[in-house]
Amino acid sequence: ILNVEQSPQSLHVQEGDSTNFTCSFPSSNFYALHWYRWETAKSPEALFVMTLNGDEKKKGRISATLNTKEGYSYLYIKGSQPEDSATYLCALTKAAGNKLTFGGGTRVLVKP
Amino acid sequence: EPEVTQTPSHQVTQMGQEVILRCVPISNHLYFYWYRQILGQKVEFLVSFYNNEISEKSEIFDDQFSVERPDGSNFTLKIRSTKLEDSAMYFCASSRDFTYTDTQYFGPGTRLTVL
Repeated sequence: ILNVEQSPQSLHVQEGDSTNFTCSFPSSNFYALHWYRWETAKSPEALFVMTLNGDEKKKGRISATLNTKEGYSYLYIKGSQPEDSATYLCALTKAAGNKLTFGGGTRVLVKP
Repeated sequence: EPEVTQTPSHQVTQMGQEVILRCVPISNHLYFYWYRQILGQKVEFLVSFYNNEISEKSEIFDDQFSVERPDGSNFTLKIRSTKLEDSAMYFCASSRDFTYTDTQYFGPGTRLTVL
């Protein structure tokens, strides 16, 4: 069973502050890591797909890094805004089919 | 921008009843998926579908579940006899390709409540 963990489960951030949180996964047989942003009552939105050790991806104020050797990815939000409030999900895919195996998510609440 | 749509947004049903959850994937996508999230738990994979056949299914996807692409646009998940433990948010997703790097695009979900 592939175990993907995210921490913390939730965090409160003051508007304007930067924050980051973690996705951990087994480092063996790694293929790809996906990050999604999910606002309540909306569709989960794809942010990044990362495959290579040392990968860094950026989309606006959100960026992510990947360490496949130690089995973790960080997601960073720079200068948090209230509209960044959402649950951030990471998920792994493996070569045998491409089903996503999700972590439990980090729920971010940005307070004005 | 193309998006995956799902209907209904919320379905309430009695235990033992059949439900059909509907999805319209992105039009040029060929691969379709169902996931679900039971309250307080992780999002979990149910089934993937391509070329009118199931590609992969999880242990959850037993004989009570079935999927179908009845026409060129819809993709449905049927639960034949619902149980209390089927209460969850059900997500449909689609992708253009089937590689492990291909992005799956999700719908907004159908919240199923079984009473």
